[in-house]
Amino acid sequence: QSALTQPPSASGAPGQSVTISCTGTSSDVGRYNYVSWYQQHPGKAPKLIIYEVTKRPSGVPDRFSGSKSGNTASLTVSGLQAEDEADYYCSSYASDNYYVLFGGGTKLTVL
Amino acid sequence: EVQLLESGGGLVQPGGSLRLSCAASGYTFSSYAMSWVRQAPGKGLEWVSAISTDSTYIFYTHSVKGRFTTSRDNSRNTLYLQMNSLRAEDTALYFCAKGGAAAGYSFDSWGQGILVTVSS
Repeated sequence: QSALTQPPSASGAPGQSVTISCTGTSSDVGRYNYVSWYQQHPGKAPKLIIYEVTKRPSGVPDRFSGSKSGNTASLTVSGLQAEDEADYYCSSYASDNYYVLFGGGTKLTVL
Repeated sequence: EVQLLESGGGLVQPGGSLRLSCAASGYTFSSYAMSWVRQAPGKGLEWVSAISTDSTYIFYTHSVKGRFTTSRDNSRNTLYLQMNSLRAEDTALYFCAKGGAAAGYSFDSWGQGILVTVSS
């Protein structure tokens, strides 16, 4: 099982919206509603920002939203702020043989 | 406040062994599955292993099967990763993370990570 596919980079100006894609297969993203998204600032541990495709943990701003269509999940960050500049990783359950697959990560730059 | 604190990392020669520990506090450790996730220098996240609340179910990524063993001691609120036959490609920052099936296979709390370097 290969890692999920994310674009290596994305960017947007403050106040704009940006969407990051995460493409898997019918065996992982397409089969299960267990897609999560993590934000990681340099030198820090990852932080959960979206789970089960669309749900936000307590304390995560509603500027972060998730969706899924077929084998591709997406994270949208609206009203970009400077502190949103970070690496973003998607993950998906992929059956007990593979448990969780991560994407390769997307570096989000706020211009 | 949930806290996860990894320890036990360091420099080890290829073929050597290390045992990582993750001390949990701030929540009922025995009620949550746990995982190990690693990040090679400058690279992305890779899930390594998961263990259910009562250790009935333990999963490993293919590249560490037969070499790594995950365990937990619910009486000590501690998660372990025994790593044997270490290879250069195991060099990474190892995170322990709280969560699993009951959390939609998401990890809602992470330790700060512990560095494992495999080199001669």
